Amino acid sequence: GENVEQHPSTLSVQEGDSAVIKCTYSDSASNYFPWYKQELGKRPQLIIDIRSNVGEKKDQRIAVTLNKTAKHFSLHITETQPEDSAVYFCAASPRVMGYGNNRLAFGKGNQVVVIP
Amino acid sequence: EAEVAQSPRYKITEKSQAVAFWCDPISGHATLYWYRQILGQGPELLVQFQDESVVDDSQLPKDRFSAERLKGVDSTLKIQPAELGDSAMYLCASSSGTSGTGELFFGEGSRLTVL
Repeated sequence: GENVEQHPSTLSVQEGDSAVIKCTYSDSASNYFPWYKQELGKRPQLIIDIRSNVGEKKDQRIAVTLNKTAKHFSLHITETQPEDSAVYFCAASPRVMGYGNNRLAFGKGNQVVVIP
Repeated sequence: EAEVAQSPRYKITEKSQAVAFWCDPISGHATLYWYRQILGQGPELLVQFQDESVVDDSQLPKDRFSAERLKGVDSTLKIQPAELGDSAMYLCASSSGTSGTGELFFGEGSRLTVL
């Protein structure tokens, strides 16, 4: 099955600086790569996603880049703010023959701490 | 804004007891998922429903876990008997898509502690 790994496990940044989290996946057939943000004690929420036919996608201060050849994708947060402090999970959707549904494999998560 | 509802939020039980969790997805969402999230880890899929049918339960420990979605709306996840290693957050999620991509909307989760 799909194996998704995230690096680094914890990242501390000064407010205003940029944060980059990298995620690698194993299944070359995966075609959908979302990032979920989970604040302490709250539910995971989708913040951005990218599909395999696109190399980069931006939404205000966040962006995701995808390198299919190397099988990795990264989350970029610019001008970090204290409210960006959370655990960020990447995920990949492998091709599951016969199901036709989104079976996401999640990474273990990155703890991002924004220091005011 | 519509949300996925789960209950109970917290459950403490002794090992060998039975526990049950309930989930009500966002109205109209055909796909429902149960995930288990161990502290410090990412969510792990236990079971996925499309309407009332199970489409993926390959990671569900079927000797003790069961899940149903009888009318294709709300769902129940049961553990019997509970073991110490079952302590985790049980997250329910739903989505409207069936094409292999799409946003998952998570509930707040049911935190299980097995003593």
